[in-house]
Amino acid sequence: QKEVEQNSGPLSVPEGAIASLNCTYSDRGSQSFFWYRQYSGKSPELIMSIYSNGDKEDGRFTAQLNKASQYVSLLIRDSQPSDSATYLCAVKKWATGNQFYFGTGTSLTVIP
Amino acid sequence: DTEVTQTPKHLVMGMTNKKSLKCEQHMGHRAMYWYKQKAKKPPELMFVYSYEKLSINESVPSRFSPECPNSSLLNLHLHALQPEDSALYLCASSPRGEGAQNYGYTFGSGTRLTVV
Repeated sequence: QKEVEQNSGPLSVPEGAIASLNCTYSDRGSQSFFWYRQYSGKSPELIMSIYSNGDKEDGRFTAQLNKASQYVSLLIRDSQPSDSATYLCAVKKWATGNQFYFGTGTSLTVIP
Repeated sequence: DTEVTQTPKHLVMGMTNKKSLKCEQHMGHRAMYWYKQKAKKPPELMFVYSYEKLSINESVPSRFSPECPNSSLLNLHLHALQPEDSALYLCASSPRGEGAQNYGYTFGSGTRLTVV
């Protein structure tokens, strides 16, 4: 079983809509969760982190964590064409020395 | 300074060449990482240095040789690579110690390596 699972997409949303990206993880020992955005040919850029149950908002981005369901999501409100990228979910496990485990990424396209 | 700097940005090398990739950070991070990323795939961990000591080697072929000369620098020495080693090589860093679990990795811009 993979540590982190993401729907690879592609996910297409119209400009101005809400994009919803989802991620599940297998190990309840996972403690910290991160969303990275990666444009084609570029390096990953950290956009959100969350480690407590509930919602965390930063501008147009909201991360949601449900540890009971082992589920983390990223909502992007008022999606813009510049949000078109691959979004990587990453999970950090304290038990393995804070090692990161990446999902396979979800490709998002925002259609003007 | 909140950046991880990688050089060179692009590298083309022959299969008999020896080259090095360099990574530098001045954020005081005591964990540094090398990742390899192929197109449309997530980053794949190669090496982890913690407090300048190699702590994880993910069964990487010996033609890749990491080096951590000090807490700010990380090198990846390349020798006798194969065309399938062509990829984006990413360096990352993160804090260690108390509270570090809530910090993500900071990635450099990467080196696009082509082996011919």
